[in-house]
Amino acid sequence: EPEVTQTPSHQVTQMGQEVILRCVPISNHLYFYWYRQILGQKVEFLVSFYNNEISEKSEIFDDQFSVERPDGSNFTLKIRSTKLEDSAMYFCASSGVAGGFNEQFFGPGTRLTVL
Amino acid sequence: DQQVKQNSPSLSVQEGRISILNCDYTNSMFDYFLWYKKYPAEGPTFLISISSIKDKNEDGRFTVFLNKSAKHLSLHIVPSQPGDSAVYFCAAPSYNTDKLIFGTGTRLQVFP
Repeated sequence: EPEVTQTPSHQVTQMGQEVILRCVPISNHLYFYWYRQILGQKVEFLVSFYNNEISEKSEIFDDQFSVERPDGSNFTLKIRSTKLEDSAMYFCASSGVAGGFNEQFFGPGTRLTVL
Repeated sequence: DQQVKQNSPSLSVQEGRISILNCDYTNSMFDYFLWYKKYPAEGPTFLISISSIKDKNEDGRFTVFLNKSAKHLSLHIVPSQPGDSAVYFCAAPSYNTDKLIFGTGTRLQVFP
Protein backbone atom coordinates (compact mmCIF):
# COMPACT_ATOMS: atom_id res chain seq x y z
CA GLU A 1 0.00 0.00 0.00
CA PRO A 2 1.43 3.40 -0.91
CA GLU A 3 2.47 5.57 1.99
CA VAL A 4 3.91 8.95 2.83
CA THR A 5 7.46 8.78 4.15
CA GLN A 6 9.38 11.38 6.15
CA THR A 7 13.03 11.86 7.04
CA PRO A 8 14.61 12.17 9.47
CA SER A 9 12.47 10.61 12.17
CA HIS A 10 14.15 12.82 14.78
CA GLN A 11 16.09 16.04 14.29
CA VAL A 12 17.92 17.83 17.07
CA THR A 13 19.20 21.33 16.36
CA GLN A 14 20.49 24.40 18.11
CA MET A 15 18.34 27.50 18.31
CA GLY A 16 18.97 29.77 15.34
CA GLN A 17 20.02 26.95 13.02
CA GLU A 18 18.26 26.08 9.78
CA VAL A 19 16.53 22.74 9.41
CA ILE A 20 15.02 21.00 6.43
CA LEU A 21 12.40 18.33 6.95
CA ARG A 22 11.83 15.98 4.06
CA CYS A 23 8.77 14.15 2.83
CA VAL A 24 8.01 11.84 -0.04
CA PRO A 25 4.26 12.03 -0.72
CA ILE A 26 2.28 9.27 -2.38
CA SER A 27 3.39 9.26 -5.98
CA ASN A 28 0.17 10.13 -7.81
CA HIS A 29 -1.01 12.71 -5.30
CA LEU A 30 -1.23 16.35 -6.26
CA TYR A 31 -1.84 18.15 -2.97
CA PHE A 32 0.66 18.36 -0.16
CA TYR A 33 0.43 19.59 3.40
CA TRP A 34 2.48 20.19 6.51
CA TYR A 35 0.99 19.99 9.99
CA ARG A 36 2.63 20.10 13.38
CA GLN A 37 1.80 18.90 16.86
CA ILE A 38 3.45 20.48 19.88
CA LEU A 39 3.65 18.00 22.74
CA GLY A 40 0.32 17.73 24.51
CA GLN A 41 -1.46 19.94 22.02
CA LYS A 42 -3.58 19.35 18.96
CA VAL A 43 -2.42 18.80 15.40
CA GLU A 44 -2.24 22.19 13.66
CA PHE A 45 -2.27 23.01 9.97
CA LEU A 46 0.76 24.87 8.66
CA VAL A 47 0.56 25.01 4.88
CA SER A 48 -0.91 23.42 1.78
CA PHE A 49 0.83 23.24 -1.59
CA TYR A 50 -0.46 22.57 -5.07
CA ASN A 51 0.91 23.07 -8.55
CA ASN A 52 4.23 24.31 -7.20
CA GLU A 53 2.81 27.04 -5.06
CA ILE A 54 1.34 27.58 -1.64
CA SER A 55 -2.44 27.40 -1.75
CA GLU A 56 -3.04 28.23 1.90
CA LYS A 57 -0.98 28.91 5.00
CA SER A 58 -1.74 29.44 8.66
CA GLU A 59 -0.62 32.30 10.87
CA ILE A 60 2.04 29.97 12.27
CA PHE A 61 3.68 29.76 8.84
CA ASP A 62 5.62 33.03 8.97
CA ASP A 63 8.67 34.20 7.01
CA GLN A 64 10.89 31.72 8.83
CA PHE A 65 9.10 28.85 7.10
CA SER A 66 9.22 27.83 3.47
CA VAL A 67 8.19 24.83 1.43
CA GLU A 68 9.51 23.45 -1.79
CA ARG A 69 9.01 20.59 -4.18
CA PRO A 70 12.54 20.43 -5.58
CA ASP A 71 11.90 17.43 -7.82
CA GLY A 72 9.06 15.14 -8.76
CA SER A 73 9.06 13.20 -5.53
CA ASN A 74 10.24 15.25 -2.54
CA PHE A 75 8.37 17.90 -0.58
CA THR A 76 10.37 19.84 1.98
CA LEU A 77 9.71 22.17 4.88
CA LYS A 78 12.52 24.57 5.77
CA ILE A 79 12.73 26.53 8.99
CA ARG A 80 15.35 29.24 8.50
CA SER A 81 16.21 30.14 12.06
CA THR A 82 14.73 27.74 14.56
CA LYS A 83 13.26 28.86 17.86
CA LEU A 84 12.66 26.85 21.01
CA GLU A 85 8.93 26.97 20.35
CA ASP A 86 9.41 25.22 17.00
CA SER A 87 10.01 21.98 18.89
CA ALA A 88 7.18 19.68 17.79
CA MET A 89 6.23 16.69 15.66
CA TYR A 90 5.94 17.74 12.04
CA PHE A 91 3.64 15.70 9.83
CA CYS A 92 3.59 15.74 6.06
CA ALA A 93 0.37 14.71 4.30
CA SER A 94 -0.80 14.31 0.74
CA SER A 95 -4.08 13.83 -1.05
CA GLY A 96 -5.08 13.06 -4.58
CA VAL A 97 -7.69 15.75 -4.90
CA ALA A 98 -8.26 19.12 -3.32
CA GLY A 99 -10.11 19.70 -0.14
CA GLY A 100 -10.07 18.28 3.32
CA PHE A 101 -13.21 16.46 2.31
CA ASN A 102 -10.95 13.86 0.85
CA GLU A 103 -8.68 11.70 2.85
CA GLN A 104 -5.31 13.18 3.58
CA PHE A 105 -2.66 10.50 4.06
CA PHE A 106 -0.16 11.34 6.77
CA GLY A 107 3.48 10.38 7.14
CA PRO A 108 4.95 9.08 10.42
CA GLY A 109 6.28 12.50 11.37
CA THR A 110 9.61 14.11 12.21
CA ARG A 111 10.26 15.00 15.81
CA LEU A 112 12.09 18.33 15.88
CA THR A 113 13.88 19.25 19.08
CA VAL A 114 15.34 22.75 19.30
CA LEU A 115 17.87 23.26 22.09
CA ASP B 1 -9.65 28.91 18.79
CA GLN B 2 -11.14 25.53 19.64
CA GLN B 3 -13.55 24.93 16.81
CA VAL B 4 -13.28 21.17 17.32
CA LYS B 5 -13.22 19.90 20.86
CA GLN B 6 -12.66 16.53 22.43
CA ASN B 7 -13.31 16.96 26.11
CA SER B 8 -12.21 13.53 27.25
CA PRO B 9 -8.42 13.18 27.11
CA SER B 10 -8.59 9.47 27.87
CA LEU B 11 -10.94 6.50 27.93
CA SER B 12 -10.42 3.00 29.26
CA VAL B 13 -12.65 0.15 28.05
CA GLN B 14 -12.66 -3.57 28.53
CA GLU B 15 -12.12 -5.78 25.48
CA GLY B 16 -15.41 -6.74 23.85
CA ARG B 17 -17.30 -3.75 25.22
CA ILE B 18 -18.31 -0.61 23.36
CA SER B 19 -16.01 2.42 23.15
CA ILE B 20 -17.68 5.78 22.63
CA LEU B 21 -15.51 8.76 21.75
CA ASN B 22 -17.08 12.18 21.64
CA CYS B 23 -16.40 15.34 19.70
CA ASP B 24 -18.08 18.76 19.74
CA TYR B 25 -17.71 21.58 17.26
CA THR B 26 -18.63 25.22 17.28
CA ASN B 27 -18.57 26.20 13.61
CA SER B 28 -21.93 25.56 11.97
CA MET B 29 -20.28 25.87 8.55
CA PHE B 30 -18.54 22.53 9.02
CA ASP B 31 -20.29 19.96 6.87
CA TYR B 32 -17.88 17.06 6.84
CA PHE B 33 -16.11 15.29 9.67
CA LEU B 34 -13.34 12.75 9.87
CA TRP B 35 -11.93 10.50 12.54
CA TYR B 36 -8.23 9.69 12.55
CA LYS B 37 -6.45 7.11 14.65
CA LYS B 38 -2.85 7.56 15.77
CA TYR B 39 -0.44 5.03 17.19
CA PRO B 40 2.79 6.19 18.88
CA ALA B 41 5.58 7.05 16.43
CA GLU B 42 3.14 6.99 13.50
CA GLY B 43 1.15 9.65 11.71
CA PRO B 44 -2.63 9.93 11.92
CA THR B 45 -4.48 7.28 9.89
CA PHE B 46 -7.90 7.98 8.42
CA LEU B 47 -10.58 5.85 10.01
CA ILE B 48 -14.07 6.97 9.01
CA SER B 49 -15.90 10.10 7.91
CA ILE B 50 -19.39 11.51 7.79
CA SER B 51 -21.08 14.15 5.72
CA SER B 52 -23.59 16.51 7.29
CA ILE B 53 -26.31 15.17 5.03
CA LYS B 54 -26.16 11.96 7.05
CA ASP B 55 -26.57 11.27 10.73
CA LYS B 56 -24.79 7.92 10.74
CA ASN B 57 -22.03 6.17 8.86
CA GLU B 58 -20.91 2.64 9.56
CA ASP B 59 -17.79 0.72 8.56
CA GLY B 60 -17.38 -2.64 10.20
CA ARG B 61 -16.88 -2.20 13.92
CA PHE B 62 -16.78 1.59 13.58
CA THR B 63 -19.84 3.83 13.47
CA VAL B 64 -19.92 7.60 13.53
CA PHE B 65 -23.04 9.48 14.59
CA LEU B 66 -23.66 13.14 13.84
CA ASN B 67 -26.11 15.37 15.70
CA LYS B 68 -26.06 18.67 13.83
CA SER B 69 -28.45 20.46 16.13
CA ALA B 70 -26.20 19.70 19.08
CA LYS B 71 -23.00 20.18 17.02
CA HIS B 72 -21.86 16.84 18.33
CA LEU B 73 -20.47 13.68 16.83
CA SER B 74 -19.40 10.41 18.32
CA LEU B 75 -17.38 7.40 17.24
CA HIS B 76 -18.57 4.01 18.43
CA ILE B 77 -16.28 1.00 18.33
CA VAL B 78 -17.93 -2.31 19.02
CA PRO B 79 -16.62 -4.71 20.02
CA SER B 80 -13.47 -2.99 21.22
CA GLN B 81 -10.20 -4.84 20.74
CA PRO B 82 -6.77 -4.30 22.34
CA GLY B 83 -5.42 -3.26 18.92
CA ASP B 84 -7.81 -0.31 19.01
CA SER B 85 -5.70 1.25 21.76
CA ALA B 86 -4.52 4.52 20.22
CA VAL B 87 -5.22 8.24 20.20
CA TYR B 88 -8.34 9.17 18.23
CA PHE B 89 -8.69 12.59 16.63
CA CYS B 90 -11.83 14.19 15.37
CA ALA B 91 -11.23 16.61 12.47
CA ALA B 92 -13.18 18.85 10.15
CA PRO B 93 -12.17 20.62 6.95
CA SER B 94 -12.30 24.38 7.35
CA TYR B 95 -15.01 25.82 5.13
CA ASN B 96 -13.92 26.07 1.51
CA THR B 97 -10.25 25.33 2.24
CA ASP B 98 -7.90 22.36 2.31
CA LYS B 99 -6.88 22.48 5.92
CA LEU B 100 -8.11 20.05 8.52
CA ILE B 101 -8.94 21.36 11.97
CA PHE B 102 -8.21 18.74 14.60
CA GLY B 103 -9.48 18.18 18.10
CA THR B 104 -7.02 17.51 20.90
CA GLY B 105 -7.53 13.76 20.76
CA THR B 106 -8.77 11.06 23.11
CA ARG B 107 -6.43 8.29 24.20
CA LEU B 108 -8.32 4.99 24.16
CA GLN B 109 -7.00 2.05 26.09
CA VAL B 110 -8.68 -1.32 25.61
CA PHE B 111 -7.71 -3.82 28.27
CA PRO B 112 -8.26 -7.59 28.24
